[in-house]
Amino acid sequence: AQKITQTQPGMFVQEKEAVTLDCTYDTSDPSYGLFWYKQPSSGEMIFLIYQGSYDQQNATEGRYSLNFQKARKSANLVISASQLGDSAMYFCAITNSGYALNFGKGTSLLVTP
Amino acid sequence: DSGVTQTPKHLITATGQRVTLRCSPRSGDLSVYWYQQSLDQGLQFLIQYYNGEERAKGNILERFSAQQFPDLHSELNLSSLELGDSALYFCASSVGGGAPNEKLFFGSGTQLSVL
Repeated sequence: AQKITQTQPGMFVQEKEAVTLDCTYDTSDPSYGLFWYKQPSSGEMIFLIYQGSYDQQNATEGRYSLNFQKARKSANLVISASQLGDSAMYFCAITNSGYALNFGKGTSLLVTP
Repeated sequence: DSGVTQTPKHLITATGQRVTLRCSPRSGDLSVYWYQQSLDQGLQFLIQYYNGEERAKGNILERFSAQQFPDLHSELNLSSLELGDSALYFCASSVGGGAPNEKLFFGSGTQLSVL
């Protein structure tokens, strides 16, 4: 079984500041993938970043980076230089072979001017 | 635009009815996934098809069924609808059968309202 926990239901950040969204996971499989998706108010799910369990370095994609701490089973998303358009729901998800992507409950991020 | 097409965007129906949701995956993708998103349950995986065959099953009710056709498009059939089936239904696609590093591309969803 695999499980994702996002403990922050809502977060506020000021424009241009950095923000960290927390994600912890539980899986017994040594090979797994961790994903972050963004869901703006329009509803679509947008892929942001991926981290493999065997990746030695933390993943980065533009303003998004993933703080991967394997021993702690955490995969926190860091958004640098927040923009108003970053206001959305953010979902952490995990998958391993034979299992479809399993999502957390999400964190609502509001970026204020 | 993810390249995954879902129709219709909105569907309003009554309890007891049956509806069909349609999904066309990205060109070249062999897997189709169906997810249900509701306020109380969050994003729940329903079912995955890979190249026409059922690959994985999640929390899909017996009243729900799906299939993937030879042209790789997929349909999700929901029958004997109840108020609690009101949700946003997503289709997603991926290239392969579900390796840990496979990115899923999501459609814009079908908002189902059961009245």
